[in-house]
Amino acid sequence: EAQVTQNPRYLITVTGKKLTVTCSQNMNHEYMSWYRQDPGLGLRQIYYSMNVEVTDKGDVPEGYKVSRKEKRNFPLILESPSPNQTSLYFCASSLFFQGARTEAFFGQGTRLTVV
Amino acid sequence: GDSVTQMEGPVTLSEEAFLTINCTYTATGYPSLFWYVQYPGEGLQLLLKATKADDKGSNKGFEATYRKETTSFHLEKGSVQVSDSAVYFCALSPRGNYQLIWGAGTKLIIKP
Repeated sequence: EAQVTQNPRYLITVTGKKLTVTCSQNMNHEYMSWYRQDPGLGLRQIYYSMNVEVTDKGDVPEGYKVSRKEKRNFPLILESPSPNQTSLYFCASSLFFQGARTEAFFGQGTRLTVV
Repeated sequence: GDSVTQMEGPVTLSEEAFLTINCTYTATGYPSLFWYVQYPGEGLQLLLKATKADDKGSNKGFEATYRKETTSFHLEKGSVQVSDSAVYFCALSPRGNYQLIWGAGTKLIIKP
């Protein structure tokens, strides 16, 4: 089954304790990205990757890191989480076709609370 | 820059009512247009899409027509069900650009 898998689904952590949210896709997609979803603010892109070893900042990259060492994996790293990073996070992947993005597939989401 | 504007929610309807959720966009050229749906506790999933002017996307009884002249992609359904309660997002992908531009989302509540 084609899917994007995020882990964990729920996470409560304390300020300053490094954490990683994993994301893996089994569709051989080139493009992967991370979003955060906050009430009243919609979806905001954090980072994206157009292929292995190619990553770039989205709209709200501060406080986050990513890496793309393999095509299927795109972990999101919070080196020193703060309460304003409490949010619902989504990983997504998609193909390129004829110079455009095709359908985006989303993970189930990770609800992060930083206390 | 490119942008997507959706009607604010929540939109509350009774079962079997007619649904319209408005979406207008600003973009140069001919972007691809999408509607995504997010059911409670889940990630987003593609509902329908259109890639050129006058295309009609349809799925699960929902329809949207790509209107270049009015820069719109309104979502419609003739008879909604309680199970359609969700948040609906309109999005565009500019031609030759790999980004997705998102609307703010519209929460739909269907009452029995």
